Amino acid sequence: EPEVTQTPSHQVTQMGQEVILRCVPISNHLYFYWYRQILGQKVEFLVSFYNNEISEKSEIFDDQFSVERPDGSNFTLKIRSTKLEDSAMYFCASSASGNEQFFGPGTRLTVL
Amino acid sequence: KNEVEQSPQNLTAQEGEFITINCSYSVGISALHWLQQHPGGGIVSLFMLSSGKKKHGRLIATINIQEKHSSLHITASHPRDSAVYICAVNPNAGGTSYGKLTFGQGTILTVHP
Repeated sequence: EPEVTQTPSHQVTQMGQEVILRCVPISNHLYFYWYRQILGQKVEFLVSFYNNEISEKSEIFDDQFSVERPDGSNFTLKIRSTKLEDSAMYFCASSASGNEQFFGPGTRLTVL
Repeated sequence: KNEVEQSPQNLTAQEGEFITINCSYSVGISALHWLQQHPGGGIVSLFMLSSGKKKHGRLIATINIQEKHSSLHITASHPRDSAVYICAVNPNAGGTSYGKLTFGQGTILTVHP
């Protein structure tokens, strides 16, 4: 069964460093999403991506964040200069039609 | 005020019990989702609803659009049902929707043998 994959499963970085979180969505899907979940809190929407551009973004998704679909398979989230408060689980999701979403297993980001 | 509220926040049950988790939302929506999050963190989609009722195995989800309320029921609960159950909605912003989800805070379910 097709699934969304994410790498790495756990990333530890120093404050101020850049990180790139990678996702491989399901191959025929057209809509892509990043969400984050700070420990003990609810899942929050970051950004959606459709037709090779950002379709929606939240107020969390400021200039420190960017997304890219560099080739036909990968979907990446870059955080330019990490802060302590960026520590969270980051989930990628994809959807064929913008309705049912399939989530990846998540990347746990720890900023020291 | 949260746009999506779940109750209860924590639920403990004995194996075999019938379980209900409730979700209320305050915005117009195009669809409502029930998700399951396992202890390791992974999220699995259980149901997507825009009206009525859906059933999958021992799980039943209902939605009342007029009352802006949904319920997730688990019949004959089992310890393997222990997880966090999350209600999420696609807000209807009036324009084109790209599927953004707004999440509730989750209900932690523990089923004891």
